[in-house]
Amino acid sequence: SQQGEEDPQALSIQEGENATMNCSYKTSINNLQWYRQNSGRGLVHLILIRSNEREKHSGRLRVTLDTSKKSSSLLITASRAADTASYFCATRWGNFNKFYFGSGTKLNVKP
Amino acid sequence: DTEVTQTPKHLVMGMTNKKSLKCEQHMGHRAMYWYKQKAKKPPELMFVYSYEKLSINESVPSRFSPECPNSSLLNLHLHALQPEDSALYLCASSQDMRNNLRSREQYFGPGTRLTVT
Repeated sequence: SQQGEEDPQALSIQEGENATMNCSYKTSINNLQWYRQNSGRGLVHLILIRSNEREKHSGRLRVTLDTSKKSSSLLITASRAADTASYFCATRWGNFNKFYFGSGTKLNVKP
Repeated sequence: DTEVTQTPKHLVMGMTNKKSLKCEQHMGHRAMYWYKQKAKKPPELMFVYSYEKLSINESVPSRFSPECPNSSLLNLHLHALQPEDSALYLCASSQDMRNNLRSREQYFGPGTRLTVT
């Protein structure tokens, strides 16, 4: 399977704490994307990091990419209850319009 | 307008019914996707259309039949489904990325929650 794995599967933290989730993938990639999904809804794109980038920031989000280990991490700083959602990494397969999603991390931020 | 719309929001159908899911976008995207998502699982790619032509079929059973009438619309026709086909069906669109190493984000609709009884 091309799909990656994410850990932890579930994460529960208090508001104000930082949340870190990790993604591992299997094939060489051009870039990696992170998406967020509120319960039973569509996915929302958060951030894209290219294979020649090691770190990227967007607001309270920080993404790192280690292509030698085929892994990426998403850090959400100063979490809020509204950050409660599932987070997925996604990699593109080859030169096609084909994406594979990781298994996801379910984040619960307690107020 | 960066919205992808899907109708209906919820659908309950029997195993002998024929129904259709609809998806629409007006962002000028020429790639459109159908995903199936079971509870607590990631989305699984079903079909990809590029410039209104089916470019990827991930070995989906023939009881699912996609259709792309024009560049803004994507349908998924359902016939003789099984209870295990119950899931959230997500539509997405993006700029076409064939033969292009630069990826763009996908824009997802809110999904259709399908229950097969």
